[in-house]
Amino acid sequence: DAKTTQPTSMDCAEGRAANLPCNHSTISGNEYVYWYRQIHSQGPQYIIHGLKNNETNEMASLIITEDRKSSTLILPHATLRDTAVYYCIVGSGGSNYKLTFGKGTLLTVNP
Amino acid sequence: DTAVSQTPKYLVTQMGNDKSIKCEQNLGHDTMYWYKQDSKKFLKIMFSYNNKELIINETVPNRFSPKSPDKAHLNLHINSLELGDSAVYFCASSLRGAGEGEQYFGPGTRLTVT
Repeated sequence: DAKTTQPTSMDCAEGRAANLPCNHSTISGNEYVYWYRQIHSQGPQYIIHGLKNNETNEMASLIITEDRKSSTLILPHATLRDTAVYYCIVGSGGSNYKLTFGKGTLLTVNP
Repeated sequence: DTAVSQTPKYLVTQMGNDKSIKCEQNLGHDTMYWYKQDSKKFLKIMFSYNNKELIINETVPNRFSPKSPDKAHLNLHINSLELGDSAVYFCASSLRGAGEGEQYFGPGTRLTVT
């Protein structure tokens, strides 16, 4: 069901920027791109979302390509606590809501 | 204060039993959800309620019945439990309608059916 493609795993050095890619080539015009992460067995944690403009908050930046077929989540200064599975999801609201989480990317931040 | 809380955290029970999982959110959100995360770690939505009204009911067995006594609570009752029901169940809430904006997840309830 997942409409996104992400690498299975990535490594990043502590203190460096982590850039997590996501392909969503079949995204439709009213669908947002959401990023969540799940640390170990905890509940997923919202990170950021966007429609077509780049977005930034205190946790991360989201870069969406002009054709909206791919995006990149950027953690500017990764810490050990950022080790988690990162999910890229596309979806819209309302009665057609179909927010389905795929397998995500396991990001391991190394000391 | 925990924004979205679930009880119990762990639930071990035998096949055929009936069990309930409770969820409460103190965020004043209008919409609540139940998700199931299976052994392959896929997280899928099961139900969504908006102001106590069921708005999303995915293809789940009718042994699963959600109940929302008020917009701060969404409970999940499961009848005649089966081995395949073993999973982690997450409750979530969002300020706006289903799928709109960020969702806040609870810590999960790990259900093991033996």
